[in-house]
Amino acid sequence: NAGVTQTPKFQVLKTGQSMTLQCAQDMNHNSMYWYRQDPGMGLRLIYYSASEGTTDKGEVPNGYNVSRLNKREFSLRLESAAPSQTSVYFCASSEGGRTNEKLFFGSGTQLSVL
Amino acid sequence: AQSVAQPEDQVNVAEGNPLTVKCTYSVSGNPYLFWYVQYPNRGLQFLLKYITGDNLVKGSYGFEAEFNKSQTSFHLKKPSALVSDSALYFCAVRDIGNNNDMRFGAGTRLTVKP
Repeated sequence: NAGVTQTPKFQVLKTGQSMTLQCAQDMNHNSMYWYRQDPGMGLRLIYYSASEGTTDKGEVPNGYNVSRLNKREFSLRLESAAPSQTSVYFCASSEGGRTNEKLFFGSGTQLSVL
Repeated sequence: AQSVAQPEDQVNVAEGNPLTVKCTYSVSGNPYLFWYVQYPNRGLQFLLKYITGDNLVKGSYGFEAEFNKSQTSFHLKKPSALVSDSALYFCAVRDIGNNNDMRFGAGTRLTVKP
């Protein structure tokens, strides 16, 4: 009963380093999302993917790249990490398209960029 | 763009007492409103939604929300709080003019004391 699985749970980077956050879902959902959560700001959408090979920018895409190689997996890459990217990152999935109301979230990745 | 506001960062209630977590919205047209809950070290979980119909919406774990068009509010309520209800609660709205993306409020931390 895994649902949405994210790795790693915690990560500390130095400014300029790169890393990839991994996300996988086992619910056969078409849509997947990456959000960041900052204190006092709620969640903001970074990128969305409607299906394998397709991605769309969300509200805050700058500094990030994503890859949807197959239906299960959706990764988020920071090419050159900056302190402003210190945040908690959540992956989510949903049945159907971007308008679906019920999102299923992973447990998050806490990222600190020094 | 559509948006929601959660005017209280923190709400404290005693176990057994009724609880209310407030949310106001700003939309053009009909609102699509949601509540999500985040337990410690977990991703967000869907609680309930209002699309159309009855102003009182029932959701998971005994929660309900009241849609009030004249006050542009969508407050989350529960008649009798449990210690296990302690969590972070997010109100959200579907942003019809912006790819139907979910716009989340900043969150309200609910603490239920024994």
